[in-house]
This record gives sequence, C-alpha cells and structure tokens, in this order.
Amino acid sequence: TQLLEQSPQFLSIQEGENLTVYCNSSSVFSSLQWYRQEPGEGPVLLVTVVTGGEVKKLKRLTFQFGDARKDSSLHITAAQPGDTGLYLCAGNRAGTYKYIFGTGTRLKVLA
Amino acid sequence: KAGVTQTPRYLIKTRGQQVTLSCSPISGHRSVSWYQQTPGQGLQFLFEYFSETQRNKGNFPGRFSGRQFSNSRSEMNVSTLELGDSALYLCASSLAPSGGGQETQYFGPGTRLLVL
Repeated sequence: TQLLEQSPQFLSIQEGENLTVYCNSSSVFSSLQWYRQEPGEGPVLLVTVVTGGEVKKLKRLTFQFGDARKDSSLHITAAQPGDTGLYLCAGNRAGTYKYIFGTGTRLKVLA
Repeated sequence: KAGVTQTPRYLIKTRGQQVTLSCSPISGHRSVSWYQQTPGQGLQFLFEYFSETQRNKGNFPGRFSGRQFSNSRSEMNVSTLELGDSALYLCASSLAPSGGGQETQYFGPGTRLLVL
C-alpha cells in the first residue's frame, strides 16, 4: 500500500504554462518535503513544511501543506525547461523516524 | 564542501551473487540513510545508520544489510541477488538522524545495479 499518492504521474507542458502537482494521503504527517530529481542524480530537497496550512514560496514554486497535514501541493508558475524532472513528496509520520516517498510526478517542460 | 559520494556508480551482477555498495557522507554528517528506487515501487527506505548504529529499518528482507564505520562512511550489502534487486540505490546523509523531520537529507547520485 502506497501511503503517499502523487498526481498526475506524468505531465508534459509548454514553457510558460502553470501547473500543480498533488501529494495525497489518508495518514497524518508531522512534516512533508518536496524534492526534484534529475536524470543521473539523487533527489534535491526543495522545501520542508511542518505546519498545517503552511504556504512556502521558492521563486516560481509555491508549496502548500494541507490544514489536516494529510496532503500537499506544489504549484509552478510560468514553467521553464529547467523545471523538467521528477518531483517527489516525502512525508514523515510522528514516531516512525523515517520518510515515506510519494509515487512521483515526472514533469517535462517543452521550449 | 564535497557532496555525498557513492561507489561504484554502475554495477552488473548475476543472480545469486552478492554486492557491496559504498557511501561517503558529507564531511561532518553522522547519519546515513539508504534507499532503493525502482520504476514500479518508487523510492523506498532501506535503513538508517547514526554513529555506527542502525537506527531504523524499512521492510526489506534480511538479504539487505548495512553498516557504518567510525568515520561515518557506510556500506550496504545485498546477498543472493535476485532479478528484482535491479534498481538505483541512493544514500543520503544528514547531520543528525533525519526521520524527525527537521534535518535536511543530502542525496548522492546513486549506484545503478543491474542483476542479470
């Protein structure tokens, strides 16, 4: 059973378009992270959210943690080819001391 | 500061063999976690070591084992390889145990293992 489901699985868009990636679970997480992974590399941490309802911005990327801390979203404004990659969410459930990774969203931004 | 390094980067083995992968964390980091990444199952947690002690373990069979040395370098071993063990094996280091949600994990580039 996958605890963290991401949607969509694949997304191919034109440069300049906006997009939103979702990370959903029936479990409550004490914190949630978003990573981007490029081919041949390991994931790179983009953001950590810990408070329900929290919104964080990183340039053109906006991250939101759901009020109930069961879901999260990543919104990219005016996507660029450099945003291409695999986006992963990872949640930490209180007391487990380990991260569970989502199923991943593979994004391709066409120039 | 040098990042997390993993060796080897690529490896081809046959069923039944065993393999040892190595991970050198960022200098000063004492926690190392290992993950398996496959197209079907995604990124799954194997185990975490901190100060030479296994702190946490994922749901993998006993064929998967690891250890950490006094210099924080870590190795993982897979015995009696199966075709399904073909994957990208990633290690990540952090200053302190990462599972509490407050530490940043830095991932290495991974070792791609192909089992024939």
